[in-house]
Amino acid sequence: QAVLTQPSSLSASPGASASLTCTLHSGINVGTYRIYWYQQKPGSPPQYLLRYKSDSDKQQGSGVPSRFSGSKDASANAGILLISGLQSDDEADYYCMIWHSSAWVFGGGTKLTVL
Amino acid sequence: QVQLVQSGAEVKKPGASVKVSCKASGYTFTNYGISWVRQAPGQGLEWMGWSSTNNGNTKYAQNFQGRVTMTTDTSTSTAYVELRSLRSDDTAVYYCARGGDYGFATVDIWGQGTMVTVSS
Repeated sequence: QAVLTQPSSLSASPGASASLTCTLHSGINVGTYRIYWYQQKPGSPPQYLLRYKSDSDKQQGSGVPSRFSGSKDASANAGILLISGLQSDDEADYYCMIWHSSAWVFGGGTKLTVL
Repeated sequence: QVQLVQSGAEVKKPGASVKVSCKASGYTFTNYGISWVRQAPGQGLEWMGWSSTNNGNTKYAQNFQGRVTMTTDTSTSTAYVELRSLRSDDTAVYYCARGGDYGFATVDIWGQGTMVTVSS
């Protein structure tokens, strides 16, 4: 089982909200981790979106709109990236990342299609 | 503005070495470490390691131990990654990124990427 698991794809309509999940390995507790989120469009490097550990420990990337937000679902042992008011420009790959066992670990990424 | 500018594309033969550079500007270089991440064609992101810019400390991912060296030159605000004994599956885009220090500092600004192709 991978440390971080993301659904490979997700589709949503313009104007709707999309909830992207990042599920942690069952042996580790989401509550103890800062989860970082990145957006990557084809042919471009990743762009930092935000970091979320708790409501008192979170950070929005510079210039990132507030319609991108982070949260956690403790019952699912998962981090969540919520994108509200979807726009066609949000179509991209999204990656989560944590610091685990003295290494940065990425999820496999979710391809978000806005249609 | 804060930016990281990487060296150009490379084509190498199996068994060779490659060294990619990453020049920082727009911020104090020694205030942040530099992380290296690669992405094989059509695949996800893979962390390679991190290098301090002020004390020479490094942390390499287990997959690259013994084959990678990360260095920095504070006089030119440039970071380097060298990968040796190249194989075809090292073909990837290599990114440098600011931060990642000791698992605490946010990895925020990324270079444009350097394509490394390993082919006989």
